[in-house]
Amino acid sequence: NAGVTQTPKFQVLKTGQSMTLQCAQDMNHEYMSWYRQDPGMGLRLIHYSVGAGITDQGEVPNGYNVSRSTTEDFPLRLLSAAPSQTSVYFCASSYGRTAYEQYFGPGTRLTVT
Amino acid sequence: EDKVVQSPLSLVVHEGDTVTLNCSYEVTNFRSLLWYKQEKKAPTFLFMLTSSGIEKKSGRLSSILDKKELFSILNITATQTGDSAIYLCAAVTYTGTASKLTFGTGTRLQVTL
Repeated sequence: NAGVTQTPKFQVLKTGQSMTLQCAQDMNHEYMSWYRQDPGMGLRLIHYSVGAGITDQGEVPNGYNVSRSTTEDFPLRLLSAAPSQTSVYFCASSYGRTAYEQYFGPGTRLTVT
Repeated sequence: EDKVVQSPLSLVVHEGDTVTLNCSYEVTNFRSLLWYKQEKKAPTFLFMLTSSGIEKKSGRLSSILDKKELFSILNITATQTGDSAIYLCAAVTYTGTASKLTFGTGTRLQVTL
């Protein structure tokens, strides 16, 4: 099993550009989520999903969109990048519809200039 | 607003010392408390605590939850340089349709020779 994979590992965007961060898991987990990690702020939940076709907002959803068309994939879209979105982004998944033992991907470091 | 606070923010100890990391929470619809270790990249799962007063142990690490006083501690005995990491705690809450995690900002532990 590859576990949770994220692409790209690093990305630099200009203000106003859009892009999609990819996340995939091969563990047949129903629950998937996106976090951002900033210095001194810990991990903050952006969006989460409890299954294909079901998504909900977390703590910091503004500026981000998600969709879940398959169990395996949960992409995160930045609509119009802003410098405040410079961060490390982690995708995570867990068994069933719970957020208990989450498995994290390796992260994407995004810089917006 | 759900809140998880960890202390201390950072800690430097000598190899062989015992450390205690603290996590307090004020959240709605609490379900469980999780501990993660984050070295260079993605957080890795350590413990899940659901019941008060029952210690979970894994080697030199142990953790306990107090649901009356709303806190948890993580103990590491006989610390080693490999224990150097950021330790994150997270409260699992139930939204009515799904569960989600609220993380603390983490405790950065450095173990020196």
